[in-house]
Amino acid sequence: EPEVTQTPSHQVTQMGQEVILRCVPISNHLYFYWYRQILGQKVEFLVSFYNNEISEKSEIFDDQFSVERPDGSNFTLKIRSTKLEDSAMYFCASSVRRDNSPLHFGNGTRLTVT
Amino acid sequence: GDSVTQMEGPVTLSEEAFLTINCTYTATGYPSLFWYVQYPGEGLQLLLKATKADDKGSNKGFEATYRKETTSFHLEKGSVQVSDSAVYFCALRTGIEGAQKLVFGQGTRLTINP
Repeated sequence: EPEVTQTPSHQVTQMGQEVILRCVPISNHLYFYWYRQILGQKVEFLVSFYNNEISEKSEIFDDQFSVERPDGSNFTLKIRSTKLEDSAMYFCASSVRRDNSPLHFGNGTRLTVT
Repeated sequence: GDSVTQMEGPVTLSEEAFLTINCTYTATGYPSLFWYVQYPGEGLQLLLKATKADDKGSNKGFEATYRKETTSFHLEKGSVQVSDSAVYFCALRTGIEGAQKLVFGQGTRLTINP
């Protein structure tokens, strides 16, 4: 069964550094998402992306965050200047359509900011 | 805003016990409701869903019924197995156009002992 893949599985970075989290969505999916889960807290929506532009974003997704689909297969989340509070598990997801089609999630990237 | 509240965990049961994980929601409009499961080291997987009141979602022996009158979507299984040990997330998605994002509960960690 096709999967959403995320790399790396764990990334450690120093505060103030830029980090890029990578995702390869399922190939025929058109909608892409990033969610995050701070340890012990809820899974939170960050951003959705369709047709090479952001379709919705949360209050968390401020100017320090950006997303890109640099080619036909990758979908990236960049954090420009990481803060300690950015430490979390980041999940990428994709879906075929925007309606009730299910979201398929990757295994996540654990980001640790020191 | 929209929110989901799940039963506090962790939950520990013996094999073949009956499982209930409570989930209630607050939403504007008419949400679709979901249960996602996260097995150790893996991403979030859709377990079951219900898109309208009185629908019952079911999969792998798990069931949940969309109860509009009590705004609930409790997860049940008649006889759990060790392999059901995972974290379970209740989530909603509103039917408003463009509101594709999922709103998650805090997750309930389930451990089944042999």
